[in-house]
Amino acid sequence: AQKITQTQPGMFVQEKEAVTLDCTYDTSDQSYGLFWYKQPSSGEMIFLIYQGSYDEQNATEGRYSLNFQKARKSANLVISASQLGDSAMYFCALDQAGTALIFGKGTTLSVSS
Amino acid sequence: ETGVTQSPTHLIKTRGQQVTLRCSSQSGHNTVSWYQQALGQGPQFIFQYYREEENGRGNFPPRFSGLQFPNYSSELNVNALELDDSALYLCASSFSGSGTQVEQYFGPGTRLTVT
Repeated sequence: AQKITQTQPGMFVQEKEAVTLDCTYDTSDQSYGLFWYKQPSSGEMIFLIYQGSYDEQNATEGRYSLNFQKARKSANLVISASQLGDSAMYFCALDQAGTALIFGKGTTLSVSS
Repeated sequence: ETGVTQSPTHLIKTRGQQVTLRCSSQSGHNTVSWYQQALGQGPQFIFQYYREEENGRGNFPPRFSGLQFPNYSSELNVNALELDDSALYLCASSFSGSGTQVEQYFGPGTRLTVT
């Protein structure tokens, strides 16, 4: 069964520091995609970054990068130079056969000044 | 903002009633997916519509049903509401070529409370 595991319920970081949010996944598919979304208290899910299973390079989008280790089945999100506005819930998700996204339970990130 | 809109924003219903939630997809997108997010949990996939046909369904009972219209907007209907249906309902739109897709763009959600 396909599954996403996020083991960190909460993470605390100071402004300008880097933070890594962990994500491990389980799938028997050879072709799949991994996503990270940010969910502020308003509730809207904001797409951050995507990594395809066949992508050889780790994905980067501005301050976000994805540390993709296929053999370990991990897809950790790295946020560099944290900002107060980064405080939110972060979800890792696995694309299932091009239809459903399977989400983890999320990690709450709190950034302090 | 993603361009995906949902209505209503909030809704309060009584157990046993029926509810319809609406979603307008982003321009150019032909696929709509619906998710249920209980408090403190990650979203759970309900179903997806691609070109007006159901294209996948999660582990939800038949009282959860949906529609997609020719303009690719969508409705989620829930009959015989139960207290556990209280959740944030998220709609996501995407462009699907030949059954594959990449990013799903989410709307702001509808918060449903069942009393």
